[in-house]
Amino acid sequence: AQSVAQPEDQVNVAEGNPLTVKCTYSVSGNPYLFWYVQYPNRGLQFLLKYITGDNLVKGSYGFEAEFNKSQTSFHLKKPSALVSDSALYFCAVRAWNNAGNMLTFGGGTRLMVKP
Amino acid sequence: DAGVIQSPRHEVTEMGQEVTLRCKPISGHDYLFWYRQTMMRGLELLIYFNNNVPIDDSGMPEDRFSAKMPNASFSTLKIQPSEPRDSAVYFCASSGISNSPLHFGNGTRLTVT
Repeated sequence: AQSVAQPEDQVNVAEGNPLTVKCTYSVSGNPYLFWYVQYPNRGLQFLLKYITGDNLVKGSYGFEAEFNKSQTSFHLKKPSALVSDSALYFCAVRAWNNAGNMLTFGGGTRLMVKP
Repeated sequence: DAGVIQSPRHEVTEMGQEVTLRCKPISGHDYLFWYRQTMMRGLELLIYFNNNVPIDDSGMPEDRFSAKMPNASFSTLKIQPSEPRDSAVYFCASSGISNSPLHFGNGTRLTVT
């Protein structure tokens, strides 16, 4: 079985400050990890993924995420938040030996960036 | 590329009626997924296809739900009969090789009264 936990329903941060959105996962074997963002009345959009290699992954819109195998975490980060980053963020995981491309998503974290 | 296209964007229907949601995946993608999003249950995978063949439908809530993919460019999700608890946003997504990102459509917001 595979699962994802996003412990915070909402994260509030001031514009210009760094932001972190937390994600922990559970899979059998090695994970493939993803972050998606959802704006109002839209589908999820891909931000970044970790498959293998460097633990620090850079993605769209200045976001990055760090894979930590010992802590089974994949936290999303950005050095300087923008008001336009306000959205719903989803972490997702798939076990490497899952034959299909079936992702399990976390419950989502709402990011609110205030001017 | 137009992305994943879903129709209709909004559907309002009465309990007991049949509802059909439609999806056109990105050309060349081998995988197609149907998800349901609600405030209470978050994002749930209902069913997914690989090369037009249903692979895992364990997330389909009950027999009232059915999905088909008659060809590589079209899929439907049907609810018959619909119930108020089916009210949700239904997303279709497609992807290429097995570790590539999913591309989501903008969803169909279903309201069953």
